[in-house]
Amino acid sequence: EVRLVQSGAEVKKPGDSLRISCKGSGYSFSNSWIAWVRQMPGKGLEWMGIIYPGDSETSYSPSFEGQVTISVDKSINTAYLQWSSLKASDTAIYYCARQLRGAAAGPFDYWGQGTLVSVSS
Amino acid sequence: DFQMTQSPSTLSASVGDRVTITCRASQSIRSSLAWYQQKPGKAPKLLIYDASSLQTGVPSRFSGSGSGTQFTLTISSLQPDDFATYHCQQYNTFSRTFGQGTKVEIK
Repeated sequence: EVRLVQSGAEVKKPGDSLRISCKGSGYSFSNSWIAWVRQMPGKGLEWMGIIYPGDSETSYSPSFEGQVTISVDKSINTAYLQWSSLKASDTAIYYCARQLRGAAAGPFDYWGQGTLVSVSS
Repeated sequence: DFQMTQSPSTLSASVGDRVTITCRASQSIRSSLAWYQQKPGKAPKLLIYDASSLQTGVPSRFSGSGSGTQFTLTISSLQPDDFATYHCQQYNTFSRTFGQGTKVEIK
C-alpha cells in the first residue's frame, strides 16, 4: 500500500525556522517525484515545488522560489519542506503528494494527510 | 501569467442531479488536466487525469472531457458522498497550476 505520512502540526512565531517532513512507503520512493502543495485557510490549492528523490532535482513555483527549500533524504524515504524565517502569512496546511508518472509531468495520485503550520506572535 | 479558471465557485444541487463543473486554461494544455475531490479536513483525492481517464477505484458516475483550453467534470447522478470541493489542475506547463475550486453544496 502506497502511503505518505507527514509530520505533525506546528505552532511557531514569526522569524522562527521550521522543517516539516513527508515519509513515503509501499513504492519505490527514489523513482517518483514528490510535490508540496499549500492550502491557506479557506482557500484553494497552490503548487509550491517538486523534487525527484533519485537525484534531488528540484523545481519551484516562481511564487515560492527563495521562500522555501525542498530537499530529500532518499536513504530514509523522506522529503522535506523548510523555512528559514516564517511569516504569519505562512499559516496554512501543507500537503506532500506523489506524482503519478515517474518522468513526464503528471497528476498527483497519493497525498499525505497534511501538516498544519500556524505562525503567530 | 498562466491561469486556470473554474466555474462556478459554488454549486447547489440535490441528490440524483447531474452536475457539471468547468475549468478553462489561459492557454492550451492539450489533455494535461486532472480533477480532485476534497472533503473538509482531508487531503485531495485524484478522480480524473489526462482530462478523461478515471483513476482506479473512482465510481463511474464521474467523468471528464475536454482538451486544449476547455474542460468539464461531470457527475452523472450526485450521491450524498459527493458533496465536497472539486479542484482542477494542469500539468502541461512547468507550474502545475490549480483552479480556485468549486464547492458542491446540498440544495
